This record gives sequence, C-alpha cells and structure tokens, in this order.
Amino acid sequence: KAGVTQTPRYLIKTRGQQVTLSCSPISGHRSVSWYQQTPGQGLQFLFEYFSETQRNKGNFPGRFSGRQFSNSRSEMNVSTLELGDSALYLCASSPGEREVDEQFFGPGTRLTVL
Amino acid sequence: GQNIDQPTEMTATEGAIVQINCTYQTSGFNGLFWYQQHAGEAPTFLSYNVLDGLEEKGRFSSFLSRSKGYSYLLLKELQMKDSASYLCAVMDSNYQLIWGAGTKLIIKP
Repeated sequence: KAGVTQTPRYLIKTRGQQVTLSCSPISGHRSVSWYQQTPGQGLQFLFEYFSETQRNKGNFPGRFSGRQFSNSRSEMNVSTLELGDSALYLCASSPGEREVDEQFFGPGTRLTVL
Repeated sequence: GQNIDQPTEMTATEGAIVQINCTYQTSGFNGLFWYQQHAGEAPTFLSYNVLDGLEEKGRFSSFLSRSKGYSYLLLKELQMKDSASYLCAVMDSNYQLIWGAGTKLIIKP
C-alpha cells in the first residue's frame, strides 16, 4: 500500500505571497490532518478533514485554510505569508472512522519564507 | 493552558536501556501516543496508551499513569538506528493531538 505523499517537498516563497500544499492520503483513509513543525516547538495542529468536511481545527489564524476533495486528497493554503510561517508542514492520514486512530505521516513540505 | 513536557535531549550507549519521560497537563484525556522521528523523515507510530499500566512491544515499552499525568517510553537493547527524536502526544477532550517538542536521543557506540 502506498504511503502518504506530499507535494511539493520544498518550497521557497517571499513575504506576502500565498502557497498551496497538497497531500494524498493512504488509499482508503478518509481523514487528513495537517501540522506545522518548527524546531523546539513540536508539532502544532492546524486542522483535520474527514469526508470533505473540516472536523477539527487548531488555533491558527484565518490565513491558514484547507479543503478536502471527494477522493480524500487534501490541500492546505497559506495566504499573505509571513517569515514565521517558515516550517515543515506535515500531513497525516488515518481511516477516520474512530476518533482515536494511529496517524500515518507524509514526508512533509519544507516551506521557507524570505 | 495545555502543556506536554519531555527532555530536549538524552544520550545513551548502544546495548543499554533508556527511559524517556513525558508529563502532561491537558483539557481532557483520550490517550497518549509515542512517535519516532528520524532526522528529515516523517514521524512513525510507536505506541498508544489509554489505560494505566505498561504496554510492551518488542524492545519498546510505554507506561502510563493518568493520575500523575505521566508517561515514559522505555527502549531496551539500544541500537544505533534508535538515534532519533521521540515525540509524546496527548489526545485532548476535543480529540486534538497536543504534542511535546520531542526528545532527541543520541546513541553512542
């Protein structure tokens, strides 16, 4: 079974631009969660999508948004980029039927904002 | 606020045993996860505890005490490939995972 894939793997943007990241979950998984990982801070939860609906949301500003398509693929968008948005963005998929489930992570997209 | 504490870095010797502690204060509790993350790679699942006690899985064991807000991950017969960061995460009452900053484990020959 293919794992979680994320594209692109690396991205360089400048302040004020916007960016879209993509995540393809494991086949059959309907839940996709997004996390921001920065050194010394650990993973910060952004949001979770299940069956095309946002099921859970973390404490990030509205500049961070996401969506999920009918094939469970998910995209995350960050508008008006700030220097502090530089981070590794990880997505994780799970079957989603149970509220507590092991999550399978993708390799991440490393975003650098200049 | 919600808080997960774990040591920033630990060093151990190949073949030895190491215990990585995690203490937490969260709004509600729906289980505690341990993940392993090698440098530059994605986190991978190690264990899940929701009831008090010890869960053993090969060389790795995880312990939970809900009354103390405490967990540890025990790694036995350490191998060089165990050099990685170990992430502790608690699922809160909203079914959100709250993550610690991770413990970087360095294994020396």
